[in-house]
Amino acid sequence: GAGVSQSPSNKVTEKGKDVELRCDPISGHTALYWYRQSLGQGLEFLIYFQGNSAPDKSGLPSDRFSAERTGGSVSTLTIQRTQQEDSAVYLCASSLQAPANSPLHFGNGTRLTVT
Amino acid sequence: GENVEQHPSTLSVQEGDSAVIKCTYSDSASNYFPWYKQELGKRPQLIIDIRSNVGEKKDQRIAVTLNKTAKHFSLHITETQPEDSAVYFCAASKDNDMRFGAGTRLTVKP
Repeated sequence: GAGVSQSPSNKVTEKGKDVELRCDPISGHTALYWYRQSLGQGLEFLIYFQGNSAPDKSGLPSDRFSAERTGGSVSTLTIQRTQQEDSAVYLCASSLQAPANSPLHFGNGTRLTVT
Repeated sequence: GENVEQHPSTLSVQEGDSAVIKCTYSDSASNYFPWYKQELGKRPQLIIDIRSNVGEKKDQRIAVTLNKTAKHFSLHITETQPEDSAVYFCAASKDNDMRFGAGTRLTVKP
């Protein structure tokens, strides 16, 4: 079946502009995650949605970052007033909520470049 | 929250040798420990995982060990091949809240 889909695959924006990144999880997956991967670096946790519970936003690096998940499916990560240090690959992943601790399935990511 | 540390950050081995990557975690309640492989320009993909009720799991050339008391777990790759070259990430999870290590760049020299 279809995997995790992210769009756009690449985004170039000017410093100070807002951007929206989209993630379509695998159908039936109720857990959704956003991670950030800077060039050659690890997977930095940003935010985690689990079903209808309040999301864990503890990884968002500043108040310029926000995310929402509408209808328990599609998620949008918004970065306001982008800065050059926001340049990275933003990865979305989804998993089954039950059984607990099911494997994550990653999308191909959105490569964000802030000029 | 959970903190996962991973070592080494880079590892170079000769084809046919073994490779070992080690991780430690901070939250004793974590109970699921997957390993992901990320090839250049591609998405991370699960290669093996272990749950806290077992101490070791093996899948062909890949094995993972878990020491809950010491809160550390390791990935072992035997008979390495050039196609094993990639970045490997460990992770620790509790109730679907998954945090990753910083990654190990493995290079297998032919």
